[in-house]
Amino acid sequence: EAQVTQNPRYLITVTGKKLTVTCSQNMNHEYMSWYRQDPGLGLRQIYYSMNVEVTDKGDVPEGYKVSRKEKRNFPLILESPSPNQTSLYFCASSLGPWGPNSPLHFGNGTRLTVT
Amino acid sequence: QQPVQSPQAVILREGEDAVINCSSSKALYSVHWYRQKHGEAPVFLMILLKGGEQKGHEKISASFNEKKQQSSLYLTASQLSYSGTYFCGTDGGTSYGKLTFGQGTILTVHP
Repeated sequence: EAQVTQNPRYLITVTGKKLTVTCSQNMNHEYMSWYRQDPGLGLRQIYYSMNVEVTDKGDVPEGYKVSRKEKRNFPLILESPSPNQTSLYFCASSLGPWGPNSPLHFGNGTRLTVT
Repeated sequence: QQPVQSPQAVILREGEDAVINCSSSKALYSVHWYRQKHGEAPVFLMILLKGGEQKGHEKISASFNEKKQQSSLYLTASQLSYSGTYFCGTDGGTSYGKLTFGQGTILTVHP
């Protein structure tokens, strides 16, 4: 089944403890992206990647790192999490340039709580 | 900068129509529409490209006015299954890369 898989689904951690949220897609998509979702703010893009070894900042990249060493994986790294990073995170992938045949496919989300 | 969606929320009876608007301050290459049900991931509805109007579903269509940098999503003869939060996404004026979503419009359809 074609899908974007995020792990873990739920994560509770403490301030300053480094963590990684994994994202993997099995559709051979070139494009991958991370979003955070907060009430009243919608989906805000953190980072995106248009291909292996190519990453760019979205609208809210501060406090996050990403890497794209392989086409299928795009992990999100929080080196020193803070409570304001408590949020619902979505990974998404797309075949390529925007068009009717290249929508974003979203993972099921990771709910992160930083205490 | 996030596109601005209006209204923020709308309540309908089954069978009624609704329009959701999305406005950007920047020139756009494309506008994307997604629907998210509570506790689930967003799901693709349609993409509109410069110069185009696409009907993605039988009763859900959209328009894209490039000059005004605006898009509207039209839901006709609404069904209970239309309930959810609708997001528009806008690019940075290019065909690829940055995609910024609005704050969302909560649509509730009652029997």
